[in-house]
Amino acid sequence: QVHLLQSGAEVKKPGSSVKVSCKASGGTFSTYIVNWVRQAPGQGPEWMGRVIPIFGTVAYAQKFEGGVTITADESTATAHMELSSLRSEDTAVYFCALEPPDCNSASGCLYYLDSWGQGTPVTVSS
Amino acid sequence: EIVLTQSPGTVSLSPGERATLSCRASQSLKPNHLAWYQQIPGQAPRLLIYGSSTRATGIPDRFSGSGSGTDFTLTISNVEPEDFAVYYCQQYDPSPPRYTFGQGTKLEIK
Repeated sequence: QVHLLQSGAEVKKPGSSVKVSCKASGGTFSTYIVNWVRQAPGQGPEWMGRVIPIFGTVAYAQKFEGGVTITADESTATAHMELSSLRSEDTAVYFCALEPPDCNSASGCLYYLDSWGQGTPVTVSS
Repeated sequence: EIVLTQSPGTVSLSPGERATLSCRASQSLKPNHLAWYQQIPGQAPRLLIYGSSTRATGIPDRFSGSGSGTDFTLTISNVEPEDFAVYYCQQYDPSPPRYTFGQGTKLEIK
């Protein structure tokens, strides 16, 4: 299983941006889809978006369109998530998580997140 | 957008008892698109079940998933002390691609 190591905790001012990194080891990074999920205090996980490293294609949750940028660098097996115009409501733990390729002719494709980073706490406060 | 509603919000059990956690979708789901996770406070979610009923690597067989259509269930037979945590169901929409999670069920010690 791939191991994901995320960058450390951040404290940011409202209106600023934050960039979180996620480095993969122990597997073939480019075969996975890298997703970003956040979790506000006491809340369930919330999907933000994803990138397919081998193609560079991205998809974002409608809520985050225009405010988040997700990228991936195959050469370093690292993905990044940048969130701009931060507000206090963006205070959360941010996770990267891998979706493995899991399709077969018999049952179609399965969708799940089987490897997670340790999480990066981001606090937005004036 | 499909909404997942989990019930109950909290379930209190003693070790050795059976836990039945429910996840109801606002629209019918493909079984391949439904997964379950366990989250211990301070840790990342851990994949338990995918494809509605397939256990992930290393997950004990006391965990089982079932269901179809709009109703899915995670069952933990003989709850162990390390099973007390929050459990989330997750579904996937392919067009446009997105994941959605339920609000969670907390399994607590009685």
